[in-house]
Amino acid sequence: GQNIDQPTEMTATEGAIVQINCTYQTSGFNGLFWYQQHAGEAPTFLSYNVLDGLEEKGRFSSFLSRSKGYSYLLLKELQMKDSASYLCAVRDSNDYKLSFGAGTTVTVRA
Amino acid sequence: DTEVTQTPKHLVMGMTNKKSLKCEQHMGHRAMYWYKQKAKKPPELMFVYSYEKLSINESVPSRFSPECPNSSLLNLHLHALQPEDSALYLCASSLLAGVGTGELFFGEGSRLTVL
Repeated sequence: GQNIDQPTEMTATEGAIVQINCTYQTSGFNGLFWYQQHAGEAPTFLSYNVLDGLEEKGRFSSFLSRSKGYSYLLLKELQMKDSASYLCAVRDSNDYKLSFGAGTTVTVRA
Repeated sequence: DTEVTQTPKHLVMGMTNKKSLKCEQHMGHRAMYWYKQKAKKPPELMFVYSYEKLSINESVPSRFSPECPNSSLLNLHLHALQPEDSALYLCASSLLAGVGTGELFFGEGSRLTVL
């Protein structure tokens, strides 16, 4: 199984940058995912990392270090619509199950 | 069509009722999932179907009964539920189970209240 930790809440100002950290422990690693979930809505896929390094996709970037069991999601040029919960999820190489962290609620203030 | 459609969006049922949640996707995905999500908690995996066959059951109580009639449809039959089963039930699909990016596409969920 996995043990996935991420901060509960973060607050930032519109236009700023926020970095959401995620640490994990797993018996077998087969990829790390970030999902965004607005209140009352379905989670939507943001990014996927399976190799070490940075993946950039527009205003969002995700970084992975497998040796450290660490990832972060970087949100740049924050907009009000980015206020949401951000879920870190790890896929286990033994059974390919995807397990989610508790999520980080990001609040963007004007 | 990149949508996973779930019905109903809201369901209120008594502990003696029998009801079903439905999920549909037309993306040609061959893996479908049921997750349960309580407020302010992460989604928890319940069942995985791969090529219409149940491949993972996360020790879910038998009062939850999944069914995959074909590659586009996934049902969750509910019977004799308990109030603690009240939650958001999310259906998801992916191209294949555990292969490639394994990106899950989620439906908007069915919010279940058990009285």
